[in-house]
Amino acid sequence: DVKVTQSSRYLVKRTGEKVFLECVQDMDHENMFWYRQDPGLGLRLIYFSYDVKMKEKGDIPEGYSVSREKKERFSLILESASTNQTSMYLCASRFRGNEAFFGQGTRLTVV
Amino acid sequence: DQQVKQNSPSLSVQEGRISILNCDYTNSMFDYFLWYKKYPAEGPTFLISISSIKDKNEDGRFTVFLNKSAKHLSLHIVPSQPGDSAVYFCAASSLFNAGGTSYGKLTFGQGTILTVHP
Repeated sequence: DVKVTQSSRYLVKRTGEKVFLECVQDMDHENMFWYRQDPGLGLRLIYFSYDVKMKEKGDIPEGYSVSREKKERFSLILESASTNQTSMYLCASRFRGNEAFFGQGTRLTVV
Repeated sequence: DQQVKQNSPSLSVQEGRISILNCDYTNSMFDYFLWYKKYPAEGPTFLISISSIKDKNEDGRFTVFLNKSAKHLSLHIVPSQPGDSAVYFCAASSLFNAGGTSYGKLTFGQGTILTVHP
């Protein structure tokens, strides 16, 4: 079974802090994604990566950056956390045209 | 620019009846469509998918229909069960980007909250 693991289920951070969300997948998938889920807005793509060291902006990249130094690991970085970044963050991996597999999600609260 | 839309925020159905969830898309480059189910505080789980070369795919109680001319897909759940109560997301992708390289980006709709009453 494919496993996508996010480093934390729940996080509480202060405004202005730098926040790292880590995601690891064990199936050698090329594509990895970071989404955020907010009520009524669905899943919105923040960034994705289709290879090591490759990244592309999604629909809402402002305030975020990413890092993919190894194929199995994709990190999302909030450079300076703000209250409007309070959300559920979801990492996913996918092999080409097949289904994407999601992690369990990280509920981030910025206070 | 919402390329994938689920216009019904919620749907309420009686146990045993059919649930029909709808999804519309605007990008004619999409060639693969998926449905995901999500419980609170969990990640989405894959339900069923359909390629643009088909108009129907069935897996047990779940059937997805694709109408390419209308750019519309639907998920039918028959019979509906209380355990089906969750948020359902449709998603779409195109295998290749404009440059012709393999491309795995998935675009999701806003989701529909399904409640199945006993």
